[in-house]
Amino acid sequence: GNSVTQMEGPVTLSEEAFLTINCTYTATGYPSLFWYVQYPGEGLQLLLKATKADDKGSNKGFEATYRKETTSFHLEKGSVQVSDSAVYFCALQGGSEKLVFGKGTKLTVNP
Amino acid sequence: NAGVTQTPKFQVLKTGQSMTLQCAQDMNHEYMSWYRQDPGMGLRLIHYSVGAGITDQGEVPNGYNVSRSTTEDFPLRLLSAAPSQTSVYFCASSYLGNTEAFFGQGTRLTVV
Repeated sequence: GNSVTQMEGPVTLSEEAFLTINCTYTATGYPSLFWYVQYPGEGLQLLLKATKADDKGSNKGFEATYRKETTSFHLEKGSVQVSDSAVYFCALQGGSEKLVFGKGTKLTVNP
Repeated sequence: NAGVTQTPKFQVLKTGQSMTLQCAQDMNHEYMSWYRQDPGMGLRLIHYSVGAGITDQGEVPNGYNVSRSTTEDFPLRLLSAAPSQTSVYFCASSYLGNTEAFFGQGTRLTVV
């Protein structure tokens, strides 16, 4: 079945540091790939998505590229801020509509 | 602009009690789903629905029932609560076809 493996956390960075959170997937066919973010005490919200190979999703300075050859969708940001502290979830959606999530990576950014 | 509304936000139950977690959306989304979030486990799908009158089981359905009598509402019922059901529950909705899912704020349930 479909599955998502993402980098274990927690991750602690200083403000303005570079962020990478690794995500790889296993799926049949051509799934859509997503990054969701969960701020403290809130539900998840979509950060970015990519629906086909080589697509790059981007939002709020975050980027991720759909790499079919390496089955990866790594999240990157060039300069993190304290307000980026949250839990980040990689997810995929195949033809069945069901979202499959990774276990989440908690990011803490210190001033 | 309500989006997905879950009630209650917090609940404490005794083992064996029953309760219903409410979920409503005002975006006319066909697809609705329930997840539970546990430390180190990510989000796991409990039940889902692709439209009124249609429901199906997800990854961890045991101990939970759902129904979908209207497009807007998708309640989750715990028939006899167990401590293993202590978790944070999220409802989500979306249009069909690999689109953005919108999540409620969550219900933190403790079973003692």
